[in-house]
Amino acid sequence: ETGVTQTPRHLVMGMTNKKSLKCEQHLGHNAMYWYKQSAKKPLELMFVYNFKEQTENNSVPSRFSPECPNSSHLFLHLHTLQPEDSALYLCASSQGTGGGITGELFFGEGSRLTVL
Amino acid sequence: GIQVEQSPPDLILQEGANSTLRCNFSDSVNNLQWFHQNPWGQLINLFYIPSGTKQNGRLSATTVATERYSLLYISSSQTTDSGVYFCAVGVTTDSWGKLQFGAGTQVVVTP
Repeated sequence: ETGVTQTPRHLVMGMTNKKSLKCEQHLGHNAMYWYKQSAKKPLELMFVYNFKEQTENNSVPSRFSPECPNSSHLFLHLHTLQPEDSALYLCASSQGTGGGITGELFFGEGSRLTVL
Repeated sequence: GIQVEQSPPDLILQEGANSTLRCNFSDSVNNLQWFHQNPWGQLINLFYIPSGTKQNGRLSATTVATERYSLLYISSSQTTDSGVYFCAVGVTTDSWGKLQFGAGTQVVVTP
């Protein structure tokens, strides 16, 4: 199995739909992240979970709702999205100790979202 | 926040050519990674290199932390090297995962 898996790989949804993105890591890491990649923009960090606790919310609109039930799974719940939310959503994980960044970030294959 | 600049923004290479990609950053860092984003969108780790030099096959990287830059070398390029190369840096005072990504270098390797 690959280290970080994301499903679905592609998602098309209307603005009134509710959907979820799922991420699972098989690397034994204790931190998981959601990143957003829009066309012509650098990757943007959305959320960080460390030992299941959210440690970062990078001013993300409430229509994006993360959930981390355990250190291996991360979800991004989507509701009433806007067309400008269409992007590639990337999940990542890392191993570290204490605070700060101490390890490599490993990414999943991404979920390409289109909002109509 | 920390600024990350990558150059060149675009690079077209003929198969077999060598190239150097550069990443400049504006502050001291203790985490620097190079990634390759393939045409399907996945970011593949190339190097974790906050300082020093590493080599992996045809790729190598050097980070001179005191001068705030890192270089990625591609030798004998192949068409499979096409994609976007990102440099990402982080600082100790930031919380987990707050890597700042550069805008990337788009590489096209032609047969």
